Amino acid sequence: EAGVVQSPRYKIIEKKQPVAFWCNPISGHNTLYWYRQNLGQGPELLIRYENEEAVDDSQLPKDRFSAERLKGVDSTLKIQPAELGDSAVYLCASSPGGVGDTQYFGPGTRLTVL
Amino acid sequence: RKEVEQDPGPFNVPEGATVAFNCTYSNSASQSFFWYRQDCRKEPKLLMSVYSSGNEDGRFTAQLNRASQYISLLIRDSKLSDSATYLCVAGGYSTLTFGKGTMLLVSP
Repeated sequence: EAGVVQSPRYKIIEKKQPVAFWCNPISGHNTLYWYRQNLGQGPELLIRYENEEAVDDSQLPKDRFSAERLKGVDSTLKIQPAELGDSAVYLCASSPGGVGDTQYFGPGTRLTVL
Repeated sequence: RKEVEQDPGPFNVPEGATVAFNCTYSNSASQSFFWYRQDCRKEPKLLMSVYSSGNEDGRFTAQLNRASQYISLLIRDSKLSDSATYLCVAGGYSTLTFGKGTMLLVSP
């Protein structure tokens, strides 16, 4: 079975530029998560989807971050404009059920903002 | 107070040693507990869920103490391949929170 797929794996941009990350969860997984992980820290939740509905976006900086999950499958996370402090690894995860289920992570996108 | 706290380590142990990590959580309503393993520059992967009665998976044993709000992970007979960061996760019905992780380094 294919795992969670993310692209790109690496992205280097200059500050104030836009950037987008794409995630394809494991087939049949209803719940999709976007996390941000800084060096030496644990993953921090940005947004959680149940099917196509964003059920927890309380930690998403809505002034510059946006996300969508069309048709309840693939998801895109966008940052516009990017700031230096956005440099981090952006992880996508999916789970078959709700929050208490095992989460399966993708390899992440390592973002560097110059 | 952080929701999930872990000693960042690193814990340096020789092969064959037994090592234990603790993790405390602040939300007494937490219902779900996990240990994830994260290798350097890789994504987190589930090591084991933590059940109220405690559970074991080979050399790994997880315990939950609800009264004191902590979970533990015991690794017996450490292998070089156990070197990684171990992330503690706790949460309720609406969200899970990851700790910062504890780094383990197993040396020959």
